[in-house]
Amino acid sequence: KNQVEQSPQSLIILEGKNCTLQCNYTVSPFSNLRWYKQDTGRGPVSLTIMTFSENTKSNGRYTATLDADTKQSSLHITASQLSDSASYICVVGSKRGNNRKLIWGLGTSLAVNP
Amino acid sequence: DAGVIQSPRHEVTEMGQEVTLRCKPISGHDYLFWYRQTMMRGLELLIYFNNNVPIDDSGMPEDRFSAKMPNASFSTLKIQPSEPRDSAVYFCASSLEAGRPSNQPQHFGDGTRLSIL
Repeated sequence: KNQVEQSPQSLIILEGKNCTLQCNYTVSPFSNLRWYKQDTGRGPVSLTIMTFSENTKSNGRYTATLDADTKQSSLHITASQLSDSASYICVVGSKRGNNRKLIWGLGTSLAVNP
Repeated sequence: DAGVIQSPRHEVTEMGQEVTLRCKPISGHDYLFWYRQTMMRGLELLIYFNNNVPIDDSGMPEDRFSAKMPNASFSTLKIQPSEPRDSAVYFCASSLEAGRPSNQPQHFGDGTRLSIL
């Protein structure tokens, strides 16, 4: 069964600290892995998209890594800011012929406190 | 540039009533997606369109749900009759993929928070 599991479920850190969020998946065939940020009351916003051949991608203070062999990804946030408080969702894309699917994790809820 | 626009932002109605959610995708985008988000199940894809044509509706929970895309700038998701278990946040997203490398991001609206009493 195609699944995406994220950990931790929630996390509280102090402003200025770094943190790493984890994503494990069992999706086949694998096409791509995405990280989205969702602020409370808003729609998700794309942070990074990685294909099988990419093992790291950055977007400002956000750096995503991908290990396709172990089927793991991480999202590292550097020098956190209050505005980083949000839910971070890992999404794995699968494509078979012309049909494609995105399998969404339940997200990690991050709170950055002053 | 205007993003994906959804209306209404909030909808409260009684069980059995018809509910219509509306979406205007980003101009020029060729894919449109409808999602439902709940705490327990996260984001679930209901249906998606390519160039106004429904491609995969396997996520539509039952016949009470229907979606249309009469033109490139408008889509509706209808629930008739509505039930309390349909209460959730419904998102519309669009993407532009024609002529581009695969794996383009989806751009989401801010959702419709639906409560069925």
